[in-house]
Amino acid sequence: IAGITQAPTSQILAAGRRMTLRCTQDMRHNAMYWYRQDLGLGLRLIHYSNTAGTTGKGEVPDGYSVSRANTDDFPLTLASAVPSQTSVYFCASSAGRGEQAFFGQGTRLTVV
Amino acid sequence: GQQVMQIPQYQHVQEGEDFTTYCNSSTTLSNIQWYKQRPGGHPVFLIQLVKSGEVKKQKRLTFQFGEAKKNSSLHITATQTTDVGTYFCAGRTGANNLFFGTGTRLTVIP
Repeated sequence: IAGITQAPTSQILAAGRRMTLRCTQDMRHNAMYWYRQDLGLGLRLIHYSNTAGTTGKGEVPDGYSVSRANTDDFPLTLASAVPSQTSVYFCASSAGRGEQAFFGQGTRLTVV
Repeated sequence: GQQVMQIPQYQHVQEGEDFTTYCNSSTTLSNIQWYKQRPGGHPVFLIQLVKSGEVKKQKRLTFQFGEAKKNSSLHITATQTTDVGTYFCAGRTGANNLFFGTGTRLTVIP
């Protein structure tokens, strides 16, 4: 089934641990994004990639890093998790920058 | 930085009543998109507006882009329980990324 896949679906993580959230799309979209969703704050952009090999910082990039080695994959890494990073994380992709975005199912992350 | 404000944050309506959510930007937008997120789900694209004053309809949903391209609205006529969810607008300026509004959570009381 074509679309965008995130893993894991949910995770409980000890503070200070390193964690990578995975995101894969099979639509050959150029642009990919990571958002976090917190109650009352909507969707905030963490990092983005307009094309394979390039990445950029969004609104809330601190504490997160990304890579885009190929078109399909866009992993998000928390180098040393903190409780304030407890959130629902959504990966998304679009054919081009700012075009209709397709979202993954989300990863619910709890940092304790 | 760019801000996209959305009101109201919450709205409870009786089934059959109308519903409207408003989106306002501090800067002129090149386009605006609307998404719906069902409870426990992920955002799903509804529509994109590009032209000043543009109005688009999808069945009971009417989307409007302001003349100044700084505001937009989504109006649902005669709400149904299937309309429950959070509605987000997302605006873009120039070649920048989309900035999402804070969303309006709609509850429909049967």
